[in-house]
Amino acid sequence: EAGVAQSPRYKIIEKRQSVAFWCNPISGHATLYWYQQILGQGPKLLIQFQNNGVVDDSQLPKDRFSAERLKGVDSTLKIQPAKLEDSAVYLCASSLSANEQYFGPGTRLTVT
Amino acid sequence: GIQVEQSPPDLILQEGANSTLRCNFSDSVNNLQWFHQNPWGQLINLFYIPSGTKQNGRLSATTVATERYSLLYISSSQTTDSGVYFCGTGGGADGLTFGKGTHLIIQP
Repeated sequence: EAGVAQSPRYKIIEKRQSVAFWCNPISGHATLYWYQQILGQGPKLLIQFQNNGVVDDSQLPKDRFSAERLKGVDSTLKIQPAKLEDSAVYLCASSLSANEQYFGPGTRLTVT
Repeated sequence: GIQVEQSPPDLILQEGANSTLRCNFSDSVNNLQWFHQNPWGQLINLFYIPSGTKQNGRLSATTVATERYSLLYISSSQTTDSGVYFCGTGGGADGLTFGKGTHLIIQP
């Protein structure tokens, strides 16, 4: 079975530019998560979807970050405008139900 | 929210040694997972273990939910075991709260 897919794998942008990340979860997984991992720290949840509805976005900086999951499958996470402190790895994960989460390879963002 | 603490933060061992990594959490949880983050940054699932004991080859894990801790055991360490080990916990389908990880270095 294919794992969680993410693209791009790497992105370098200048501050104040915009960027978007894409995630395709494991087939059939209804729950999708986006995490941000800053260097030297553990991942931090940004937003959680159940099918195409948002379950938890309490830690999403909504003034610059947005996310959507159209049709309850693929998801995109956007940052506009980016700040230097947004440099991090953005991880997407999915789960079948209330159990084990599986992570994609991540997108490494560098903001200069 | 849940607080997760991992110890030790850093661990350097010789190849063949055994190690124990600990994860303490501040509240009852329905989900606990151990991951190994590879050099390319991907989180590799090791165990889904909200309670009890599991073993997979040289690795095993135990979670004592009533006492709010989990342990990851690595026996006969190999250089390929090097990397960062994370514990993530949460309530059921909730997003995971992670510790800061244990950075393990296995020297040949």
